[in-house]
Amino acid sequence: DAGVIQSPRHEVTEMGQEVTLRCKPISGHNSLFWYRQTMMRGLELLIYFNNNVPIDDSGMPEDRFSAKMPNASFSTLKIQPSEPRDSAVYFCASSLARREIQPQHFGDGTRLSIL
Amino acid sequence: AQTVTQSQPEMSVQEAETVTLSCTYDTSESDYYLFWYKQPPSRQMILVIRQEAYKQQNATENRFSVNFQKAAKSFSLKISDSQLGDAAMYFCAYRGTSGTYKYIFGTGTRLKVLA
Repeated sequence: DAGVIQSPRHEVTEMGQEVTLRCKPISGHNSLFWYRQTMMRGLELLIYFNNNVPIDDSGMPEDRFSAKMPNASFSTLKIQPSEPRDSAVYFCASSLARREIQPQHFGDGTRLSIL
Repeated sequence: AQTVTQSQPEMSVQEAETVTLSCTYDTSESDYYLFWYKQPPSRQMILVIRQEAYKQQNATENRFSVNFQKAAKSFSLKISDSQLGDAAMYFCAYRGTSGTYKYIFGTGTRLKVLA
């Protein structure tokens, strides 16, 4: 079975540009998570969805960040306008939320560099 | 709120030796799950082992085992017969069973394996 698929793997763009990160969760998983990883702050949960509905977006740093999950097989994380401090590795993870807890499966991440 | 603490930013171990990575957590829940994830330089997040809080028996996966002390809220990872490929960041994670689907991650421990 294919794992969580993220694209692009690397993104380099200039400050002020719009950035869109994409994620395809594992088929059948009903929970999706977006994380940001930096040396200074470690792994931070930005937002998570359950059955395509955003449950908790308290980790989204500010209004420049937005995330959508239009269907069970696709999610996007958008930054507009981007700033150098947004440079980080962004991970998407999915899991099957049911009574017996299933672990999260992570994508390979997108390394984002804002110049 | 739940917290996860990894007090060892970095550890070293000689190849073929045994090393223990520590993790403590704080929660008021009685039922929850704990995980150890490995992140090698390739930056993939790989599940190493999981433990259900209601199980008294410590989980084991080949050379990886945990020492789960529920009363002390401690969840350490033991790696036996360390191999060069074990060199990575190791993250401890907590997932409750009531309400939120959030996973709480520790700040990680970087493990170096010396030849």
